[in-house]
Amino acid sequence: DGGITQSPKYLFRKEGQNVTLSCEQNLNHDAMYWYRQDPGQGLRLIYYSQIVNDFQKGDIAEGYSVSREKKESFPLTVTSAQKNPTAFYLCASSAGQIIAKNIQYFGAGTRLSVL
Amino acid sequence: GEDVEQSLFLSVREGDSSVINCTYTDSSSTYLYWYKQEPGAGLQLLTYIFSNMDMKQDQRLTVLLNKKDKHLSLRIADTQTGDSAIYFCAERAGTASKLTFGTGTRLQVTL
Repeated sequence: DGGITQSPKYLFRKEGQNVTLSCEQNLNHDAMYWYRQDPGQGLRLIYYSQIVNDFQKGDIAEGYSVSREKKESFPLTVTSAQKNPTAFYLCASSAGQIIAKNIQYFGAGTRLSVL
Repeated sequence: GEDVEQSLFLSVREGDSSVINCTYTDSSSTYLYWYKQEPGAGLQLLTYIFSNMDMKQDQRLTVLLNKKDKHLSLRIADTQTGDSAIYFCAERAGTASKLTFGTGTRLQVTL
């Protein structure tokens, strides 16, 4: 069953704590993305990776970090420097920019709340 | 930079047609997409259109693109209660890997 798996579905962070959101895909896609969704603001790009061992900052990278050690995995760490982390986080993947349509496919999301 | 705008809310009666509008600013857009998001879920691709096309039809969905005015619309015929969701338009500039998303339009279908 191909797709993108995000875990956990719900996550709670204590003040000063780093938390890591998992994103795994078995679509053999080169590119992966992390978005943050807040009510009424649409999706904002945090980080993206076009290939293993490479990633670029998106529009709101401050307070977040990523790694891309394997093609299938693109974990997102929300650090204590992110002062307003409460949001719905979405991971996506696509075949890559050389593919004309470059359709992005999304996971089911992780909802992060601050205790 | 790129900017994509949508109205926030649309209410229609079951059986009527829905038209969701989107405007974008980037003249180098190559592909434009419509995604659907149901409550608490991820985004599901509905359809997409290449920038050299004016119209694309897929069952109940019709996409219209006016490249001159940078205006994209999604028409849903015979709207059903299961169509209630948030609809996002997104655009890809040139050969960029990333997409720019609109703020989303919440479609409410009433009986």
